[in-house]
Amino acid sequence: DAGITQSPRHKVTETGTPVTLRCHQTENHRYMYWYRQDPGHGLRLIHYSYGVKDTDKGEVSDGYSVSRSKTEDFLLTLESATSSQTSVYFCAISETGVNTEAFFGQGTRLTVV
Amino acid sequence: KQEVTQIPAALSVPEGENLVLNCSFTDSAIYNLQWFRQDPGKGLTSLLLIQSSQREQTSGRLNASLDKSSGRSTLYIAASQPGDSATYLCAVTEGNQFYFGTGTSLTVIP
Repeated sequence: DAGITQSPRHKVTETGTPVTLRCHQTENHRYMYWYRQDPGHGLRLIHYSYGVKDTDKGEVSDGYSVSRSKTEDFLLTLESATSSQTSVYFCAISETGVNTEAFFGQGTRLTVV
Repeated sequence: KQEVTQIPAALSVPEGENLVLNCSFTDSAIYNLQWFRQDPGKGLTSLLLIQSSQREQTSGRLNASLDKSSGRSTLYIAASQPGDSATYLCAVTEGNQFYFGTGTSLTVIP
């Protein structure tokens, strides 16, 4: 298995609080991605990174920010959590972008109450 | 915007049967197509990656084909086993993104 660790694995938080999810990889892959998975929508891209301090938005980026200060770590922050952000969040990595195989973490189940 | 569709949404078959899962996409300008497996409460496991220049890939009992011009891919599973029960997702890559279908939930009955 690709070395991808997401933390925490489960979290319950209150509306309006900030939340940060962490993705850590040991593969030294350049690209890292954050997806959310919701019933009926499949996986949708939130943000991705193509290198240290290089990030870009995906199709559902509103309400989320990301940071990548080291190759191995990609952080997803919900600035002020809302109930619509209740979801399962997956981190993925790929060596050189979308032309190479993607590997996924185990996911973080986030519940906003 | 790329749209990926997987039919059927759910499939139940007896053990030992050969089966085909379908994936269609609307824009043929893709880099590649990848099939994943997802077990309940787990992440995605990569099964097969087909580059846009390829027609098919095989791994064990799995065979995936790609027809870019028609916007279709199939995943063939031979001699299905109960351990194959999972949700199967296809994803195409275009621009800087992977676009996912909503998956086919497969149950193999012993």
